Amino acid sequence: DTTVKQNPRYKLARVGKPVNLICSQTMNHDTMYWYQKKPNQAPKLLLFYYDKILNREADTFEKFQSSRPNNSFCSLYIGSAGLEYSAMYLCASSNSYEQYFGPGTRLTVL
Amino acid sequence: GQQVEQSPASLVLQEGENAELQCTYSTTLNSMQWFYQRPGGRLVSLLYSPSWAEQRGGRLTSSAASNESRSSLHISSSQITDSGTYLCAMDLNYGGSGNKLIFGTGTLLSVKP
Repeated sequence: DTTVKQNPRYKLARVGKPVNLICSQTMNHDTMYWYQKKPNQAPKLLLFYYDKILNREADTFEKFQSSRPNNSFCSLYIGSAGLEYSAMYLCASSNSYEQYFGPGTRLTVL
Repeated sequence: GQQVEQSPASLVLQEGENAELQCTYSTTLNSMQWFYQRPGGRLVSLLYSPSWAEQRGGRLTSSAASNESRSSLHISSSQITDSGTYLCAMDLNYGGSGNKLIFGTGTLLSVKP
């Protein structure tokens, strides 16, 4: 099974409220990634876990948190959602160069 | 920061025609990947290529010119099912501890019968 799953597929959040997105994979991949994609823009890497080590991009360092309680699961956490967080959030996993993507979670912040 | 530009932004072909999609990078190319996304679907990896190599997969060929920071995806004998968005990504390999991909904005390909 080469499927990466994401839950929920759609998420509606209020400004100032927290948001937690979930990603899972059963391929025993050592690395899991989170990307943000806005309309007409390129997917942008937010952070990734290599095994238990979290790497966050410098320009989004304070905006997103993540946890990886085991090899299969990885979450993306927004402490206080703002309108600018409305986007598609893509999760991916890999053991080498090839990244397998999930279907994405569309987050709408109102 | 590093940037990736893709051209054309959109392309319409008649079935059977060939296509060439281009990516240019703002820094020296290490390796790159091409992805495909069907409307409403997920990103799927098509080809991975070190900067000096040409990669082939069926009707797809990826070539790169690292000294020009440019890569191309050639699609031969296009089919209606090739329609979708093609994205290139510059691969900043961390040597086995994760790959950072810098994506382009994509080329929307539409193949007409």
